[in-house]
Amino acid sequence: EPEVTQTPSHQVTQMGQEVILRCVPISNHLYFYWYRQILGQKVEFLVSFYNNEISEKSEIFDDQFSVERPDGSNFTLKIRSTKLEDSAMYFCASSSGTGFYEQYFGPGTRLTVT
Amino acid sequence: RKEVEQDPGPFNVPEGATVAFNCTYSNSASQSFFWYRQDCRKEPKLLMSVYSSGNEDGRFTAQLNRASQYISLLIRDSKLSDSATYLCVVSKAAGNKLTFGGGTRVLVKP
Repeated sequence: EPEVTQTPSHQVTQMGQEVILRCVPISNHLYFYWYRQILGQKVEFLVSFYNNEISEKSEIFDDQFSVERPDGSNFTLKIRSTKLEDSAMYFCASSSGTGFYEQYFGPGTRLTVT
Repeated sequence: RKEVEQDPGPFNVPEGATVAFNCTYSNSASQSFFWYRQDCRKEPKLLMSVYSSGNEDGRFTAQLNRASQYISLLIRDSKLSDSATYLCVVSKAAGNKLTFGGGTRVLVKP
């Protein structure tokens, strides 16, 4: 069964450093998303991406964040200058754009900012 | 008011019993509804989409009440492996962002 994959599984970085989180969505999917979940809190939407552009973004997704689909398979989230409050689990999701547009999530990257 | 509200639980359920819980959503324009399950420190996994007329998938039954803006999930013949947090999720339109509730924790005990 096709899966969304994410790397790395855990990233530790110092405050102010740039990080890039990588995702490989399911191969025939057209819609891509990033969500995050701070420990003990609910899952929160960050950004959606379709047809090579951002289709929607949340208030969390400020100028420090960017997304890219550099080739036909990868989908990346970059945080330019990390803050302590960026520590969270970051989930990538993708959707085929058919039916109920169900979104399937990757296993996540745990980002720890020290 | 929270966009999607759920009783956090935990619901302690004897193995083999039936458990039901629901969630309410505030945005009447919501069009798509889902139940996901999340195990500790893992990703949300799609359990089922919720159809307007309600739907069943094995031991799981989901219902949607648009007038009262709530969604329910019923689990029959609970298994130990059903222990998880169940996330109520809504979306304004197909393809749009998902809005998650805080989850309902279910613990199935022998």
